[in-house]
Amino acid sequence: DSGVTQTPKHLITATGQRVTLRCSPRSGDLSVYWYQQSLDQGLQFLIQYYNGEERAKGNILERFSAQQFPDLHSELNLSSLELGDSALYFCASSVDYGQTANTGELFFGEGSRLTVL
Amino acid sequence: SQQGEEDPQALSIQEGENATMNCSYKTSINNLQWYRQNSGRGLVHLILIRSNEREKHSGRLRVTLDTSKKSSSLLITASRAADTASYFCATVLNDMRFGAGTRLTVKP
Repeated sequence: DSGVTQTPKHLITATGQRVTLRCSPRSGDLSVYWYQQSLDQGLQFLIQYYNGEERAKGNILERFSAQQFPDLHSELNLSSLELGDSALYFCASSVDYGQTANTGELFFGEGSRLTVL
Repeated sequence: SQQGEEDPQALSIQEGENATMNCSYKTSINNLQWYRQNSGRGLVHLILIRSNEREKHSGRLRVTLDTSKKSSSLLITASRAADTASYFCATVLNDMRFGAGTRLTVKP
């Protein structure tokens, strides 16, 4: 158990809909990362937050948005869903401030599997 | 976009053999990390090597880093069926980017 909790574990929805994925980081971790993993693919970095502020942005579509709340949990919002958005969405957390020399080990949740029909 | 690229994409070996996976990357890094993923599960951190280090060991794992060639390798010695998983390298600069992974199958 990594200590990172993601909900829901599975989600099935239709094209055009909107969903929210939730992540609770490990106790004490200030950084939260979101990744997308399509079938049999690597992980695409979406976005990173540190202590409530956006710190780095990757290949996140404009239809997607995220935020980190004062209690450090994070939500990833996916809207106007398309078939190609079907994927595993991972959240990971770390203690380190994700800049330059300080990013160490990431702790991953078990992911939220999104299926868009 | 992904930073690291693992090679080979897939590797199948017998139990007891060694498995070597390679990772190439394109930009400067502060550190490079290797992770393991069992099918459909979350990734688990294996080992971290800093940019000023050349080799690191952890149990049956040996990682090397050549910053001049922008490459790293992960060696798993005396492999076991339980090592069957996908292995990813991740490069760290201002964020953490993963490669596409190597799918390792260890046959009993």
